[in-house]
Amino acid sequence: DVKVTQSSRYLVKRTGEKVFLECVQDMDHENMFWYRQDPGLGLRLIYFSYDVKMKEKGDIPEGYSVSREKKERFSLILESASTNQTSMYLCASNPGGFTEAFFGQGTRLTVV
Amino acid sequence: RKEVEQDPGPFNVPEGATVAFNCTYSNSASQSFFWYRQDCRKEPKLLMSVYSSGNEDGRFTAQLNRASQYISLLIRDSKLSDSATYLCVVRRDTDKLIFGTGTRLQVFP
Repeated sequence: DVKVTQSSRYLVKRTGEKVFLECVQDMDHENMFWYRQDPGLGLRLIYFSYDVKMKEKGDIPEGYSVSREKKERFSLILESASTNQTSMYLCASNPGGFTEAFFGQGTRLTVV
Repeated sequence: RKEVEQDPGPFNVPEGATVAFNCTYSNSASQSFFWYRQDCRKEPKLLMSVYSSGNEDGRFTAQLNRASQYISLLIRDSKLSDSATYLCVVRRDTDKLIFGTGTRLQVFP
């Protein structure tokens, strides 16, 4: 069974803090994704990585950065958290091509 | 205009009904298409891929119309357990997966 694990289910951070969200997959997948999900807006792609150290901006990269130093791990970094980054964050991975993406359980981040 | 658009619903249908959802996409370079299902407070999971010739999986039928740039999902004989949000997903040529906002289905007894 493919497993995508996000480090935290719930997180509360203060405005201005640097926040790290970690995601690990155990199936040697090439592609990894970070999305945020908000009511009425659906899942929006923040960043995408197709290989170690390779990344592409998604549709809403502002205020975020990512790191992929090892194939199995994809980190999302909020450089200076703001209240409008309060959201559900979902990580996913897939081997590429016409294949299913597998999601982690999500991290609900609240910035106060 | 959003790249992938869906009617948010909710669609409220009785058990046993047939219900159909449509999804339109704007990028003609889109290469692959999927329907995902998301239950409340859970992560999305693949329901079915959508093939050019259309495909069926039990009570579920997916269709693709490239000329008009839309995909559809038909659910026959709805069950209470079909209540969920159905997400239309499009893969761009760079392997990015773009999600629609989802259509909420509520099946009642």
